[in-house]
Amino acid sequence: KAGVTQTPRYLIKTRGQQVTLSCSPISGHRSVSWYQQTPGQGLQFLFEYFSETQRNKGNFPGRFSGRQFSNSRSEMNVSTLELGDSALYLCASSQGRGRDTQYFGPGTRLTVL
Amino acid sequence: QKEVEQDPGPLSVPEGAIVSLNCTYSNSAFQYFMWYRQYSRKGPELLMYTYSSGNKEDGRFTAQVDKSSKYISLFIRDSQPSDSATYLCAMTPPTNAGKSTFGDGTTLTVKP
Repeated sequence: KAGVTQTPRYLIKTRGQQVTLSCSPISGHRSVSWYQQTPGQGLQFLFEYFSETQRNKGNFPGRFSGRQFSNSRSEMNVSTLELGDSALYLCASSQGRGRDTQYFGPGTRLTVL
Repeated sequence: QKEVEQDPGPLSVPEGAIVSLNCTYSNSAFQYFMWYRQYSRKGPELLMYTYSSGNKEDGRFTAQVDKSSKYISLFIRDSQPSDSATYLCAMTPPTNAGKSTFGDGTTLTVKP
């Protein structure tokens, strides 16, 4: 099976812009979770989507949003970028039920100038 | 206070050494426990997954969970230079399988 894929792998934006990141889960997985990883804060949970519905949400401002499509692919959007949004954004997929494990993609490294 | 505390490291050991990586947690709702390995500029790779107290072994890796003490460990036997990476513990409550809480990671260097 192909793993989790994320596009783009690298992105450079300036403050105030918005960005959309994409994640394709492992075939058959219905849950997609997004995490932000920074040196100072570690890996922090953003939100999880299951069957096109947001099922869990972390403690991030409303500038961070996401959605999931019927084929389980997910997108994450960050509006009005700030310097502090520079991070590695990781997507993880799982079947989404019971005793389950998450498998991570390679991440999108976002740099905000 | 963070829900998950991980021994910060960094750790530097000679090849062949036994490595012990540790995390404590405060949330009794955590029932699933994972260890991930992350190489530089890569996504985390799942190493071990367990949902009960006790030991689980997979090759050179052993995961240990003590729910009564809220303490988990990962042991690496016969460590190799290729084990050099950052190791992350993660925990999940059964009601929120898609929302894992991670430790901050321990960076391990195994010297030849």
